[in-house]
Amino acid sequence: AQSVTQLDSHVSVSEGTPVLLRCNYSSSYSPSLFWYVQHPNKGLQLLLKYTSAATLVKGINGFEAEFKKSETSFHLTKPSAHMSDAAEYFCVAIMDTGRRALTFGSGTRLQVQP
Amino acid sequence: GAGVSQSPSNKVTEKGKDVELRCDPISGHTALYWYRQSLGQGLEFLIYFQGNSAPDKSGLPSDRFSAERTGGSVSTLTIQRTQQEDSAVYLCASSVQETQYFGPGTRLLVL
Repeated sequence: AQSVTQLDSHVSVSEGTPVLLRCNYSSSYSPSLFWYVQHPNKGLQLLLKYTSAATLVKGINGFEAEFKKSETSFHLTKPSAHMSDAAEYFCVAIMDTGRRALTFGSGTRLQVQP
Repeated sequence: GAGVSQSPSNKVTEKGKDVELRCDPISGHTALYWYRQSLGQGLEFLIYFQGNSAPDKSGLPSDRFSAERTGGSVSTLTIQRTQQEDSAVYLCASSVQETQYFGPGTRLLVL
């Protein structure tokens, strides 16, 4: 079955330290992949997207993600966490070439400690 | 331009009542999606509109749910005879070139 798996439900880092949020996908072809962020009581905001043009994708607020086909992974990273990064992060894929609806991972809640 | 807007932002209703949720997509976006975000189920696809084509309703959880899109723009999601398990945040997104832009959602609470 085609799916998106976020390996950690919660990640806690200290301000100024690197962030790594892990995501693996299962698909019969190379999907389009996205990371969205959701701050408390706010809507989903697009961080970045991968659509096969380049395997390393840079997004907003210093985030980036690398598509690794051999590992079926699309991990999200940031060199230095900021307090404002505390939010829920969703790894998302378009698996269906027809309707192009999004398949969401279960989310990773990022806590940033002072 | 403005982003995707949804109304109301919050809705409290009694079990058995009907509710209508509205979505105004970004102008010019031909694709529109509805999703539901609930504690137990995460984020799940409900329905998809593309231009003038027949909508893809394959994600609707029951026949109490329906949606329409008038004039290729505004969409309304209707839930009839609401149940407590319908309590969730309902998100609308409009799309261009595979990227979906989300509205702030409608938080529905069924008492």
